Amino acid sequence: GAVVSQHPSRVICKSGTSVKIECRSLDFQATTMFWYRQFPKQSLMLMATSNEGSKATYEQGVEKDKFLINHASLTLSTLTVTSAHPEDSSFYICSASPQRGSKTQYFGPGTRLLVL
Amino acid sequence: AQTVTQSQPEMSVQEAETVTLSCTYDTSESDYYLFWYKQPPSRQMILVIRQEAYKQQNATENRFSVNFQKAAKSFSLKISDSQLGDAAMYFCAYRNAGGTSYGKLTFGQGTILTVHP
Repeated sequence: GAVVSQHPSRVICKSGTSVKIECRSLDFQATTMFWYRQFPKQSLMLMATSNEGSKATYEQGVEKDKFLINHASLTLSTLTVTSAHPEDSSFYICSASPQRGSKTQYFGPGTRLLVL
Repeated sequence: AQTVTQSQPEMSVQEAETVTLSCTYDTSESDYYLFWYKQPPSRQMILVIRQEAYKQQNATENRFSVNFQKAAKSFSLKISDSQLGDAAMYFCAYRNAGGTSYGKLTFGQGTILTVHP
């Protein structure tokens, strides 16, 4: 089946630093990837849609300058949390679809971010 | 905008018994997909079952089946012969089949399922 990886799986950083999270589709090409944020025991909230070769589309209330998304190739999207603060601590999950007509998204294993 | 509601924050079931998780949704679209995802303690999202809105037949995957009531906008998940490995958080999710929001998933609040031996 389709496999999506994320790196790193866990990161701890100091307040004010930037953190980059990678999302890769390992055995398929994905023109679109999605980034979600999840707090403990809560649902997944879509942050943005990452489109290969174009600007990401952000959901209402998500700061574009805070959460930078780059989708430079058909297998890689990156989320950079700039000037991280403790309130950015969360679980970040990406997903991808093998092709535009695909009905199903495949999820990465997630990245746990802790900002001290 | 579409909304998905799971009214059961927590459910429990005895091993080998059957449990049903509820989900309702709201949409003005006629063509869409509905999903149930499982999130175990590892937090990896796992697709359990998918239903296309244009299909009248309820989807089934081994011990998992759905009761899709399009007019009522209801999409419940039945787990038969529950196993300890079924313990997880379950999310109901909605996705338009086309349009500008293509591909975007809207999730319900989730239901934590506990399986007792």
